[in-house]
Amino acid sequence: NAGVTQTPKFQVLKTGQSMTLQCAQDMNHNSMYWYRQDPGMGLRLIYYSASEGTTDKGEVPNGYNVSRLNKREFSLRLESAAPSQTSVYFCASRTGVNEKLFFGSGTQLSVL
Amino acid sequence: GQQLNQSPQSMFIQEGEDVSMNCTSSSIFNTWLWYKQDPGEGPVLLIALYKAGELTSNGRLTAQFGITRKDSFLNISASIPSDVGIYFCAGELTGGGNKLTFGTGTQLKVEL
Repeated sequence: NAGVTQTPKFQVLKTGQSMTLQCAQDMNHNSMYWYRQDPGMGLRLIYYSASEGTTDKGEVPNGYNVSRLNKREFSLRLESAAPSQTSVYFCASRTGVNEKLFFGSGTQLSVL
Repeated sequence: GQQLNQSPQSMFIQEGEDVSMNCTSSSIFNTWLWYKQDPGEGPVLLIALYKAGELTSNGRLTAQFGITRKDSFLNISASIPSDVGIYFCAGELTGGGNKLTFGTGTQLKVEL
């Protein structure tokens, strides 16, 4: 029972490089989310997808794009990485509004 | 946007002590969730609350949904070393766009 799976676990980028963070869930959840976690800032929502085929901006969307590839997968792309994007990224999913949210184990990203 | 104030920011307690932490919001919520995060892992759901005044337990953990719907409390009884971690509250208002607002976390350290 995998739950929410994120890849990679760790990544180091140079400023200006691009990369995609992958997320997949096997719980048949409708909604998926990307958060970033920085020291003292808690979890901040980057983008989310309420259902397959829709995506919406969260609190801190600048510098990111997302793709809801299908019901299982929701990817986060950094087109031109910046040092300010150094953070731990978490993917999460749930059935819908007011339901419990389940997290992946995170991707630690460093941008030099 | 909505903000959640979580306190205390950190706690250093003796093993066996009881712990209390709380979360307050500038606006009302329909749902409160409490998570624990271990180092290098994603947050794990501890307790979910869906009704004002609700008191719910999960082992040594007890959480309450405040009557005003603007706050929630988490208590841990007889703390043990594995209680170490960061505890997050999260709130949601139906119609608020299918997304949770997270507190900034309470870091718990337990002294043997």
